[in-house]
Amino acid sequence: GQQVMQIPQYQHVQEGEDFTTYCNSSTTLSNIQWYKQRPGGHPVFLIQLVKSGEVKKQKRLTFQFGEAKKNSSLHITATQTTDVGTYFCAGRNAGGTSYGKLTFGQGTILTVHP
Amino acid sequence: GAGVSQSPRYKVTKRGQDVALRCDPISGHVSLYWYRQALGQGPEFLTYFNYEAQQDKSGLPNDRFSAERPEGSISTLTIQRTEQRDSAMYRCASSPLPQASGGRGQETQYFGPGTRLLVL
Repeated sequence: GQQVMQIPQYQHVQEGEDFTTYCNSSTTLSNIQWYKQRPGGHPVFLIQLVKSGEVKKQKRLTFQFGEAKKNSSLHITATQTTDVGTYFCAGRNAGGTSYGKLTFGQGTILTVHP
Repeated sequence: GAGVSQSPRYKVTKRGQDVALRCDPISGHVSLYWYRQALGQGPEFLTYFNYEAQQDKSGLPNDRFSAERPEGSISTLTIQRTEQRDSAMYRCASSPLPQASGGRGQETQYFGPGTRLLVL
């Protein structure tokens, strides 16, 4: 079945440093979503990417979808302590009948030291 | 309500007992998902509904797990004869669109706070 892998599993940065997490799928994706989960909280939707090679920005966050629609990345510029949390990618398979099934990666835990 | 609600928030049960977990989605949301999330892991898909129809239950671990959404709103995830390995956070999410659009359009999932299940 479809697998979605994320690296790194953990990332510790000093406030002001940049951060990147990478997501790779074993199969071609229809679209990919990114979620953020604060400690003790629930996943909160950040963005959805649909097109091959798509790049979207939200303030200090930049999201990319690979040309082959099998990988994605999230880059945060100049991290702040409010960026702390776990970042998940979640992919939806391009083929098959179950468009609804969203497969999550295991997440990247980001800690930011002030 | 303003968001997805789940009840109970915490459930402690003894091995062999049945449990029913409830999800109340955002009003008007068509799609409803169930996930299981282990500590330090991403949500693991269990099943989902469009309206009252169960579209995909491929993620249910075995036949002790079942879910229903009889009126297309509230959903119940039932685990029969619970085992210790069933202990986890069970999350529900709802989405305004039917999840069969082939990836076109916005398909944001709104997650509830989860039910923490502990099987002793």
